[in-house]
Amino acid sequence: EADIYQTPRYLVIGTGKKITLECSQTMGHDKMYWYQQDPGMELHLIHYSYGVNSTEKGDLSSESTVSRIRTEHFPLTLESARPSHTSQYLCASSDSSGPGEKLFFGSGTQLSVL
Amino acid sequence: QQPVQSPQAVILREGEDAVINCSSSKALYSVHWYRQKHGEAPVFLMILLKGGEQKGHEKISASFNEKKQQSSLYLTASQLSYSGTYFCGTSWMDSSYKLIFGSGTRLLVRP
Repeated sequence: EADIYQTPRYLVIGTGKKITLECSQTMGHDKMYWYQQDPGMELHLIHYSYGVNSTEKGDLSSESTVSRIRTEHFPLTLESARPSHTSQYLCASSDSSGPGEKLFFGSGTQLSVL
Repeated sequence: QQPVQSPQAVILREGEDAVINCSSSKALYSVHWYRQKHGEAPVFLMILLKGGEQKGHEKISASFNEKKQQSSLYLTASQLSYSGTYFCGTSWMDSSYKLIFGSGTRLLVRP
């Protein structure tokens, strides 16, 4: 099964703190994605990357930033967390062989900003 | 740009069938189907590429209607384990293969 890992699984933090959500995959996939999902709602693409040193913003505007220095690692950072950032963040990856490749999702990070 | 899914929710008795639709206003290249159970990550079901191909996965199958820019997911003889939220994800001819998801269809299968 998929080897994509997200940490932490749950994070409760105060307003104004800087946080980094980790995402790593061991499948050698070039493409990686961050989706944001509120409970019972759709997945919104907030960032994606097609390879090392390549990052793009998704369809949903987000105050978070991402980096892709290594193929296997795609961390997401919030410089100053706010209650409006409370949500579930899902990381995914896919092979770069074409548009028909499936996404492998991590277990997600549930972020709560107080 | 987001694909439109219908219906929003479905309640079935075990053994009944259901159809979930996913429509796009733009020319589709691929349609993905995922199922997500509460508190879990989405799980891949199948992909359909431009060309009208129909795919199957046990009692779950899907079709891709290029003329209508629509995909349908067919759940036959539903089981309790089919309960969850079904998302379609679409990519378009002019996109860089990024996948945009619909709002989801909640399916509840009762005994």
